[in-house]
Amino acid sequence: GAVVSQHPSWVICKSGTSVKIECRSLDFQATTMFWYRQFPKQSLMLMATSNEGSKATYEQGVEKDKFLINHASLTLSTLTVTSAHPEDSSFYICSALQGVPDTQYFGPGTRLTVL
Amino acid sequence: EDQVTQSPEALRLQEGESSSLNCSYTVSGLRGLFWYRQDPGKGPEFLFTLYSAGEEKEKERLKATLTKKESFLHITAPKPEDSATYLCAVQTHSSNTGKLIFGQGTTLQVKP
Repeated sequence: GAVVSQHPSWVICKSGTSVKIECRSLDFQATTMFWYRQFPKQSLMLMATSNEGSKATYEQGVEKDKFLINHASLTLSTLTVTSAHPEDSSFYICSALQGVPDTQYFGPGTRLTVL
Repeated sequence: EDQVTQSPEALRLQEGESSSLNCSYTVSGLRGLFWYRQDPGKGPEFLFTLYSAGEEKEKERLKATLTKKESFLHITAPKPEDSATYLCAVQTHSSNTGKLIFGQGTTLQVKP
């Protein structure tokens, strides 16, 4: 149980284009999902908390107009990187919160490369 | 400020050589302490949750323990497939969103 998927697993795009990453909880419903970014040999950096049916809460320093988050259902959250630039290249990981106890289960990650 | 510190940053062991990873935390109120395993290029895999001092949990060669200031992840007779980065994270009572504060991780390499 508690399986989270991400799609795509990797994506290469040109500078200036937008990229959408999907995060799905496959066997449970998740009111809350999280989006992280991870640089090589570093720990996870929380970008935002995504709540079903409401606006996401962004961490300090994360541009909400650049990283658009939509949590339209209890099993799906999406992260759209708008007008991507090479510095947005990174490993993006989502997690879904399964309550009682509140445990985050992580997706396999999406490797984004912006040329 | 809530903080999580893991040590050592990297650990090399021979197969069968038992050791422990440390996770020290300073938080206003601990709701839960989590251990995850992360393989290169993959998302973290949930291992354990500990809630109160004195609690212990085991899974195969791994055993996690918790005190009021730190947690240890004991690895008994490790195998090469235990090589990974182990992440410790805490959840505090002040967070009602399930948000985690992560340590920097310990990268374990087990040589055959």
